[in-house]
Amino acid sequence: DTGVSQDPRHKITKRGQNVTFRCDPISEHNRLYWYRQTLGQGPEFLTYFQNEAQLEKSRLLSDRFSAERPKGSFSTLEIQRTEQGDSAMYLCASSLSTDTGELFFGEGSRLTVL
Amino acid sequence: RKEVEQDPGPFNVPEGATVAFNCTYSNSASQSFFWYRQDCRKEPKLLMSVYSSGNEDGRFTAQLNRASQYISLLIRDSKLSDSATYLCAVNGGTSYDKVIFGPGTSLSVIP
Repeated sequence: DTGVSQDPRHKITKRGQNVTFRCDPISEHNRLYWYRQTLGQGPEFLTYFQNEAQLEKSRLLSDRFSAERPKGSFSTLEIQRTEQGDSAMYLCASSLSTDTGELFFGEGSRLTVL
Repeated sequence: RKEVEQDPGPFNVPEGATVAFNCTYSNSASQSFFWYRQDCRKEPKLLMSVYSSGNEDGRFTAQLNRASQYISLLIRDSKLSDSATYLCAVNGGTSYDKVIFGPGTSLSVIP
């Protein structure tokens, strides 16, 4: 399967713990996005990368959130000191920078904070 | 004001009906516009891009009105399989700009 893959698919954690999600984009895609989605809402932009450069991070995003894409391939999203409000589906998507609208999404990582 | 807004829905329509979804965006510099479809508990997938001249793909027609910063999606002859959430997505004015999604409009096609 050469699509976008995310790991883990499900994560249950206690409040205050740190969690990390990984995303492996489609191999030739140089752009990688992270979104968060809650029930009944559309994907909310978190951050995105062009190769290894983080181009933008949402102003709504707490400092507890950090993302990296060190070699321009896979990316990680870390949430420190999780809160119950962080419970959501975290979606990763990738695209070619020359085709900025067609994002290919992974199946997501569902986070539940107890 | 949110960057991308959509009809709140949900839309419940009988099979064979025609249904239209609307979307407005706030960034007048936006250059690229899209409709995505998201099935329940699945990831979003691109349904169609929206071009300035309007475009059609089978039963689906997308329209763009730049002056009003408005995008629409028309579905004709609705099928049960069209039941999903439809997400409007807008890119910014540069090739480096992010893709922003609207909140989505839920469609249920009823037998």
